[in-house]
Order: sequence, then C-alpha cells, then structure tokens
Amino acid sequence: NAGVTQTPKFQVLKTGQSMTLQCAQDMNHNSMYWYRQDPGMGLRLIYYSASEGTTDKGEVPNGYNVSRLNKREFSLRLESAAPSQTSVYFCASSRGVLNTEAFFGQGTRLTVV
Amino acid sequence: DQQVKQNSPSLSVQEGRISILNCDYTNSMFDYFLWYKKYPAEGPTFLISISSIKDKNEDGRFTVFLNKSAKHLSLHIVPSQPGDSAVYFCAASIYSGYALNFGKGTSLLVTP
Repeated sequence: NAGVTQTPKFQVLKTGQSMTLQCAQDMNHNSMYWYRQDPGMGLRLIYYSASEGTTDKGEVPNGYNVSRLNKREFSLRLESAAPSQTSVYFCASSRGVLNTEAFFGQGTRLTVV
Repeated sequence: DQQVKQNSPSLSVQEGRISILNCDYTNSMFDYFLWYKKYPAEGPTFLISISSIKDKNEDGRFTVFLNKSAKHLSLHIVPSQPGDSAVYFCAASIYSGYALNFGKGTSLLVTP
C-alpha cells in the first residue's frame, strides 16, 4: 500500500525557474496538505485542501500555488523559485473529519541555487 | 508566532530508562494533540494522539499526558529503546479545523 507518494524526491533549481511538486494519495482521504521543513523551524503549513475543489492558505503561502486536481492529487507549484524556498517539502493527507491523524509522504528535497 | 512549542531541541536517554518529551501550546482553541516521529530522509509517522476530553492516552510503551490548564502535554516512552532515536514532533489542531500546527521538534537519542 503506497499511502502518500511524492515526486520528485530530489530537485535542484536555478533561481527564477519554475516547477511543480506532485503528490498523490490512495487512501480515499478528503484533505490534503503541503508543509515545508527547515532546520530549527519544524513543519510549517504552506497550503491545504480541506476537500476536493477547495484550497486555503496556510502559514507560509507566499511564492507558492496549489491545485487540487482531483480527490487523489494535490500539486504545489513554484512559479519563480528563490533560494529562500530551499527546503524539504512534505505532502500529507487525512480523512478530513475531526480528530484524525495525517499521513505524510517521504518528502521532496528542493535546492534553489 | 509559534503556537506549539517544544523547548528542548534534544534529549539523550539510556536504553531501558524513561524518555519524557515536553510540549507547550498557546492557543486555547486547540482540541486535538498528536505526536509524530521522524527518521532522517523519511516523512513523519503518526505515533499517538489525545483528545482534549482526556488527560491520558496509552499505546504500548508510549503514553501521552495532557494538562489543559497548563496548556502542556508530554510524551513518555518506557522503556526507551535505541530504535526510538528520532526527531519527535508535537502537533495540535483546532476542533473545527483540519490543519496541524507543529512544534519545532525534539531530537531523541537513546544510547545502549
């Protein structure tokens, strides 16, 4: 059982380049999330999608856009990458009902040079 | 402003002893609390949770205690094992919300 799958696992971008991080879950979850993890900062929420067709900003949304393509897939786009976006990105999903845990993907390590 | 705080960046414990990881929160609206464990190069994995209607939840070697009046929770691991060495994140969510707010994590090292 795959759970939450993120692609790619590693990426190096030049400043100003764009890219899309892909995320798919096979657990029939309603809610999906994008977090970034930086040293000493824990995990910070970028965007989330409470259900198919809806997206909302999290704590650090600037410089990112998201698309909830369908119930399974939630992508994160960097339109013009900046060195400050060098981070490890995690996608997660949950059933979206109260008091349920989120399941995380393996992460995408992104470096912007 | 960090709403979930883990003030100890690291903790070292001997194998077989108790590990106690602490977490404080500032938002009184938080209603559900979770602990995640993270190994290097992997995503966080869910460990244990507690609802605000309880003050204790136990799952094998792991117990989470919640003190709502102090806005404090703790994770006890007894006995600690070397395989428990990882970064532990405390997280919280608001009753009507979906997204988790995470602390910065505590790196636990269990030595043989």
